Amino acid sequence: KQEVTQIPAALSVPEGENLVLNCSFTDSAIYNLQWFRQDPGKGLTSLLLIQSSQREQTSGRLNASLDKSSGRSTLYIAASQPGDSATYLCAVRPSPGTYKYIFGTGTRLKVLA
Amino acid sequence: DVKVTQSSRYLVKRTGEKVFLECVQDMDHENMFWYRQDPGLGLRLIYFSYDVKMKEKGDIPEGYSVSREKKERFSLILESASTNQTSMYLCASRRLLLGTNQPQHFGDGTRLSIL
Repeated sequence: KQEVTQIPAALSVPEGENLVLNCSFTDSAIYNLQWFRQDPGKGLTSLLLIQSSQREQTSGRLNASLDKSSGRSTLYIAASQPGDSATYLCAVRPSPGTYKYIFGTGTRLKVLA
Repeated sequence: DVKVTQSSRYLVKRTGEKVFLECVQDMDHENMFWYRQDPGLGLRLIYFSYDVKMKEKGDIPEGYSVSREKKERFSLILESASTNQTSMYLCASRRLLLGTNQPQHFGDGTRLSIL
């Protein structure tokens, strides 16, 4: 059974720092992996989607990597800003034959001004 | 931009009431999802619909039903609300484009309290 873990659960960094958020999954046979951002009391905003055949995806200051063999994905945020403060979640879609996504419980990020 | 709209941001209902949560998307997406989000448990899938009038149970369907009569609208129904259904409910939609990976798009959520 696929399980998705995000450690740490919370992280505080000073403004301007480059940082890495981690997502681990137990079954390397995945179809895609998606990173989301969630602001307090709000829904999820899609940040990046990595297909199983890809190693990374980039959008602005965000870069997501995928290493299926080790069961890991990382979200790299360059030059962090207070506006980046939010909870970041990753979700794995196990196969093209399923519509289900398995979510991690998220990392709550606080960027201090 | 994709817009997924949930009819209520906050809702308070009483135990035993029948509760309707509505979700509308404006991008002609085939797939729609209902999740609930609880602290420490993350997002759990209640039901999903892969097209009009089509539905499948997710991981925690007990106590819920859904309706998808039109492509743009996906309703979640709590048949007889109970206090353990107090939660944040999130709706999502996704385009079905064969051979490609399409992202899910989420609404802002409905925070439901059952008293």
